[in-house]
Amino acid sequence: EVQLVESGGGLIQPGGSLRLSCAVSGFTVMSNYMSWVRQAPGEGLQWVSLIYSDGTTYYADSVKGRFTISRDNSKNTLYLQMNSLGAEDTAVYYCARNGADFDYWGQGTLVTVSS
Amino acid sequence: QAGLTQPPSVSKGLRQTATLTCTGNSNNVGNQGAAWLQQHQGHPPKLLSYRNNNRPSGISERFSASRSGNTASLTISGLQPEDEADYYCSAWDNSLSAPVFGGGTKLTVL
Repeated sequence: EVQLVESGGGLIQPGGSLRLSCAVSGFTVMSNYMSWVRQAPGEGLQWVSLIYSDGTTYYADSVKGRFTISRDNSKNTLYLQMNSLGAEDTAVYYCARNGADFDYWGQGTLVTVSS
Repeated sequence: QAGLTQPPSVSKGLRQTATLTCTGNSNNVGNQGAAWLQQHQGHPPKLLSYRNNNRPSGISERFSASRSGNTASLTISGLQPEDEADYYCSAWDNSLSAPVFGGGTKLTVL
C-alpha cells in the first residue's frame, strides 16, 4: 500500500525556518519525480518544488532562494527546508508523487506563519 | 508562474452531466494534456485522470477526460451528491519546466 506521511508543520514566526518531511512507503522516492504542493486557507493548489529522479530540482518563483527540496534515499523520505518564512507561506503543504500527474498525495501538514 | 484557467464554479442537478473546462496554451495543455484532480473539503486531492485521459484504477467511469487544442475537459455523468467538490486541472509547462495548476472549479450538485 502506498502511503505518504508529512510532518514538521506548525506555528512559526515571520523570518523563521521549518523543515517538512514526507515519509514514503509503497514506492521508492529516488526513482520518482516528487513534488511539494501547497494550499493557502480557502485557496487553490500551488506547486512549490519538484525533484527529479536524477536529483535535479525546480522551484516556484515565489519560493526560489528560500526553500530547498531534498531527499534521503536511505529513509525513503522527501524534505522541504523553508527559510525566511512570511505570512504568504501560510498553507497546508502536501507532498505528491510526480510532476503533473500527481497520483499519490499525503494528508498534508499545516504551516502557519504568524507573530 | 502563470496558471491554467478554470471557471470558478459550476452548478448542475442530480443525475445530470457536468463538463468542466481547463484552458492553457501550447506549452502546457496543448502539448501534453491536463490531469484532473478532485478535492473534498478537508482532504487531499485525488487524481481522477492522467494527462493522457486515462483513469487511475478505482476511478468511476462516470469521470471522462478529453482535450481539444489548448483546452482540456472533464465530463462527469450521472451526478451524485458525493461529486460535490473542488476540481483542479494540472499540466506540465515546457516553457517553465514546471507543473502548473488551474485555479479550481467548485462543483455544486443541486
